[in-house]
Amino acid sequence: SQQGEEDPQALSIQEGENATMNCSYKTSINNLQWYRQNSGRGLVHLILIRSNEREKHSGRLRVTLDTSKKSSSLLITASRAADTASYFCATGDFGNEKLTFGTGTRLTIIP
Amino acid sequence: EPEVTQTPSHQVTQMGQEVILRCVPISNHLYFYWYRQILGQKVEFLVSFYNNEISEKSEIFDDQFSVERPDGSNFTLKIRSTKLEDSAMYFCASRVREGVNTEAFFGQGTRLTVV
Repeated sequence: SQQGEEDPQALSIQEGENATMNCSYKTSINNLQWYRQNSGRGLVHLILIRSNEREKHSGRLRVTLDTSKKSSSLLITASRAADTASYFCATGDFGNEKLTFGTGTRLTIIP
Repeated sequence: EPEVTQTPSHQVTQMGQEVILRCVPISNHLYFYWYRQILGQKVEFLVSFYNNEISEKSEIFDDQFSVERPDGSNFTLKIRSTKLEDSAMYFCASRVREGVNTEAFFGQGTRLTVV
């Protein structure tokens, strides 16, 4: 698999349900970040988790990181219609901390 | 809240023409980046810029591309002799350098269409 692959590629759930998206990567990382992109718009930063952290929360978002499995998950609880967007994980390397993005999960929340 | 701003939001250009995409990073940020996203594909790193010079560039960033920070606020990406395959959304991003593991903030992007 490529550096930064999310699954599923697409996810549709009912409003109020929880949404879980997964990301896998291949190389060592300094941090992992999750971004949201509304259709045709910019990338909005959601949360950053450092390589020495295992879990992080921000509002309705919960991110986990398992460096032994080179994987991360993003959980959005109590989803809302406004959460409809594409979600990308991006791994930050050492040094310049350039980001390597995954393929993204397109999340659709059904009202 | 401070934000990265990009202009124009959409640019249409003829193949072979030169374009300049402009970005104003967040004022106290020190690391600057350009990324691009071809329609339906991943966001790809192009170049990073720090202390008035390129710190890293990808294979995509060949001689056709150049970046500049002409003054204290703007950060530009120039694409010479555009090709059809340069059509993409181009994102500028900036990051505070002090302390590692800091998030990158992205602009809304410039959609470049080469015809």
